[in-house]
Amino acid sequence: DTAVSQTPKYLVTQMGNDKSIKCEQNLGHDTMYWYKQDSKKFLKIMFSYNNKELIINETVPNRFSPKSPDKAHLNLHINSLELGDSAVYFCASSQDYRGLYQETQYFGPGTRLLVL
Amino acid sequence: GQQLNQSPQSMFIQEGEDVSMNCTSSSIFNTWLWYKQEPGEGPVLLIALYKAGELTSNGRLTAQFGITRKDSFLNISASIPSDVGIYFCAGQLRGAGGTSYGKLTFGQGTILTVHP
Repeated sequence: DTAVSQTPKYLVTQMGNDKSIKCEQNLGHDTMYWYKQDSKKFLKIMFSYNNKELIINETVPNRFSPKSPDKAHLNLHINSLELGDSAVYFCASSQDYRGLYQETQYFGPGTRLLVL
Repeated sequence: GQQLNQSPQSMFIQEGEDVSMNCTSSSIFNTWLWYKQEPGEGPVLLIALYKAGELTSNGRLTAQFGITRKDSFLNISASIPSDVGIYFCAGQLRGAGGTSYGKLTFGQGTILTVHP
């Protein structure tokens, strides 16, 4: 009965590899997001999608490519991983991105990525 | 871009004490949100504030949306050990189209430790 779920929870990989993180929400929301939390716990938005369409891209390197096969899923693929990509990546969803109450976001448990 | 300053950065208190933390911004927001993050988990929404001057409670938590729309505070009364975690404020600003496109700007977080 998890609302926003992510897999994997932990990901340890070598520099230069390509990896994907998956996110699914069962809330019936139209909008999904990816956030990055750095080692100082600072949270910053990376992308948001509404009903499979990109609506925010916060100048993230193009090694990061989000993909939304349907409105309940938003995956994040990272090419040529670098040491600085090590962080916790959170997926979130909201009912919509328009309207006062519909924008309230609910977060998944996070994926802890460590690049060696 | 907009920045949020959250203070204090950390707090060490005794069980039963009241706690107060606040967020200030260099510019206005239309919505203020308070989240709590526990170790190994994603942020969980505590309180959402949608109107300047609004005062909202959720159990022992009370939060206010500042009149200037540039600040918000969160109070926790009679703290208990399970209040431990990182508390984040977040703001949303609606643009000319009436939407924030879901973009949340987060504060740096307040780490709360409660001693039994």
